[in-house]
Order: sequence, then structure tokens, then C-alpha cells
Amino acid sequence: DIQMTQSPSTLSASVGDRVTITCRASQSIGSWLAWYQQKPGKAPKFLIYKASSLESGVPSRFSGSGSGTEFTLTISSLQPDDFATYYCQQYDTYSLTFGGGTKVEI
Amino acid sequence: EVQLVESGGGLVQPGGSLRLSCVASGFNFRTNSMHWVRQAPGKGLEWVSYIGSSSSPIYYAASVKGRFTISRDNAKNSLYLLMNSLRAEDTAVYYCARIGRLEHNWGQGTLVTVSS
Repeated sequence: DIQMTQSPSTLSASVGDRVTITCRASQSIGSWLAWYQQKPGKAPKFLIYKASSLESGVPSRFSGSGSGTEFTLTISSLQPDDFATYYCQQYDTYSLTFGGGTKVEI
Repeated sequence: EVQLVESGGGLVQPGGSLRLSCVASGFNFRTNSMHWVRQAPGKGLEWVSYIGSSSSPIYYAASVKGRFTISRDNAKNSLYLLMNSLRAEDTAVYYCARIGRLEHNWGQGTLVTVSS
């Protein structure tokens, strides 16, 4: 199985900060990487697909980059609604795998 | 609008069984493969199972292989997960999900609690 390593596991930031989360795959997954945001008690919210494509309705302050084995999620100016846990997910294979999550907190 | 609605969760004793259902709407269910993904309390996301659009191929995570069975009924736009020999470590919110190359949709989840 493809392993996904996400860092950091926790990130302390303030409103207006630029935030970057990294995800590394144990083997090349091309661009088949998605990013999700999850808040307590809610289902994951789909943010980015194919490494860098923004899902419809997602604010433009979110962006993704990378290919192969190294990927990043960037929030250009952190807003109060962005405090949540973020997950990367590879979908290059049938057996999806997820990063361990990054909790963005104040 | 795409909707995935799970049901069937609840409290079950260790060793017991439960069948989860997921009803899909807003897209052509019969041409889409589907997944079950779970999340234990306070933990991350774990893939459970995959089923192709015509019920083939089927794959399971090692942690559930031999105990869980995924199936679908395209005439009813429904996905199922039959869970046998349940263990405490199966306690989680179970989500059904459509994970396509460009579109990802998740249900709201159904909670399964395995406890005596």
C-alpha cells in the first residue's frame, strides 16, 4: 500500500497567516492527490483534486501544488473559518490512503 | 446535487453483525465505483473497501478482509457494507464515498459502536 506522510501534525497560526501543509507519498502517485478539510462532528469537505485543482465553491485562498511524491496545501491568508483538520488523500490506487492529518489551531 | 445518505449504524456487541446502507442520488450511480471509509473516534481516516461499478472488482483493507462484505444494487442506487465478527476496534463513523478522478463526494456518515 502507498503510505502518505503529512506534516506537521499540529500547526499553531493566527488569522491572516500564510499556512503550508506538506504531504509525501511513499511512491509516485502522479497528480492523483486530494485535500480535505474536516471540522469536529462533520464529514470531510473536499477542497482540491488532482493536486492543484480547486473544487467549485472553495475560496481561492486555498491552493495545492506538487506531483509525484511531494505535495503541498497552502492557505494564503488564514481566516477564522479555516481552523480545522486537513487531510491529504491519494487516489492513484483502489486502496485509498490518507495522511495522518494536520490540525490548524490558534 | 449529489447526495449520499448512510444508515444502519448503531450499538452492537463484540462478535455481532451490522449492515450499513448508502443511498445515492444526483449522479449516475451505476457507472461509478464506490468506497467505504471509516474514522474511529478522535482518529484519522481509514479506507475500508472498494467496489467497481458492476460489482467488480472488490477490494478490502487487511483489517476487515474476511469479516466485511461490500455489495451494491444499481437498480436501487444503493451501496451496502455487511459487517460480521465485529470488534471494539471497528467502532467508527462509516462514510460511503464516490472518489472519481475529478469528483469526490462523501455522505454524512453513520456511527457504529461495538461494545458490550
